[in-house]
Amino acid sequence: DAKTTQPPSMDCAEGRAANLPCNHSTISGNEYVYWYRQIHSQGPQYIIHGLKNNETNEMASLIITEDRKSSTLILPHATLRDTAVYYCIVSAGGTSYGKLTFGQGTILTVHP
Amino acid sequence: GAGVSQTPSNKVTEKGKYVELRCDPISGHTALYWYRQSLGQGPEFLIYFQGTGAADDSGLPNDRFFAVRPEGSVSTLKIQRTERGDSAVYLCASSFSPGNTIYFGEGSWLTVV
Repeated sequence: DAKTTQPPSMDCAEGRAANLPCNHSTISGNEYVYWYRQIHSQGPQYIIHGLKNNETNEMASLIITEDRKSSTLILPHATLRDTAVYYCIVSAGGTSYGKLTFGQGTILTVHP
Repeated sequence: GAGVSQTPSNKVTEKGKYVELRCDPISGHTALYWYRQSLGQGPEFLIYFQGTGAADDSGLPNDRFFAVRPEGSVSTLKIQRTERGDSAVYLCASSFSPGNTIYFGEGSWLTVV
């Protein structure tokens, strides 16, 4: 699976949009971009994933650049409960049975 | 419940003892995964089951670690002769089928003293 690069930490004010970047310049054509988050002392929580089109669900939006070498996870109105470690993961989905390789992630701190 | 269930949530054991950790995947999910997470690190893959068989156990650190899924549903991760370095959170996850979205449980916190 391709490697990802994320900033180690970010801050965001409550109520503002949180934009978390991820670099995956070696991504292959069949690899998806997945985002998970992990709130302290809990298991990782699935947020969203995409292949090449932008995606949106009730939790977040995922913007993937046209060359697919980077992406941004957007939490439109961050709350204190969104404070967590956010992991950007690239995986080939069905061809690798969804095995996920986690990096260090980005620690997002939402402050009042 | 609707999610992946893991028991026990916390386990303290003495060095050298045997430990079993149980995972009950989401109903209907055929793929099951075990991960291990050490303090300050991201989760690391241990083993993957498709049905009853271990399709990939390349992440198991050594032969003290073993996992089974005899009926294709519940899985047990077994650790023999535990060492202090085995202390970690052991996460179980499942997906409807290989390659589908993976959902994690809350983990079993193992402390070896």
